[in-house]
Amino acid sequence: NAGVMQNPRHLVRRRGQEARLRCSPMKGHSHVYWYRQLPEEGLKFMVYLQKENIIDESGMPKERFSAEFPKEGPSILRIQQVVRGDSAAYFCASSPRRMRGQWDTGELFFGEGSRLTVL
Amino acid sequence: AQSVTQPDIHITVSEGASLELRCNYSYGATPYLFWYVQSPGQGLQLLLKYFSGDTLVQGIKGFEAEFKRSQSSFNLRKPSVHWSDAAEYFCAVVRGSQGNLIFGKGTKLSVKP
Repeated sequence: NAGVMQNPRHLVRRRGQEARLRCSPMKGHSHVYWYRQLPEEGLKFMVYLQKENIIDESGMPKERFSAEFPKEGPSILRIQQVVRGDSAAYFCASSPRRMRGQWDTGELFFGEGSRLTVL
Repeated sequence: AQSVTQPDIHITVSEGASLELRCNYSYGATPYLFWYVQSPGQGLQLLLKYFSGDTLVQGIKGFEAEFKRSQSSFNLRKPSVHWSDAAEYFCAVVRGSQGNLIFGKGTKLSVKP
């Protein structure tokens, strides 16, 4: 089984450009989570998506950031008009089902991340 | 609100020595707790998890963790560290019913020969 695939692994953008980060979850997983890791910081939750639905975007900045998980294809995290402060590693994780009530595994499977550098 | 604190930013141990990484959580009910490891430039790999039952949890690579409700702690231990254990370790707690994890800031482990 292929793991969670993220691309690009490294992305360099100039201020004001757009960044698109893609995530293909593990086979059979329909739930995707995006996290951001700033230098010397832990991972901060950004958004939780199911196919064609945003379930929780409480961690997303109000402006310039958007995410989608279409019926077909990977999940995409889009950052418009990037600024230097957006430089970070962005991690995608997937799980097979939404966790509610009694947990089964609770494990999130992480990709290797996309490292965005804004010049 | 749920939160996780890892008090140690950086720890150095000698190869073969024992290891304990601290994790304290804040959560009203019974928490679901995880330890992940991240090697440089890599994603996160699950070491172990606690949901309920036995408070001593065994994980991969010889790691274990003990859940102590009275101390709100979930410390990670290994009896004998190997050079390949050098990495960053993250403790996490599940947030509500959404399944997203709240992470601590991580503890970077260095192993000296």
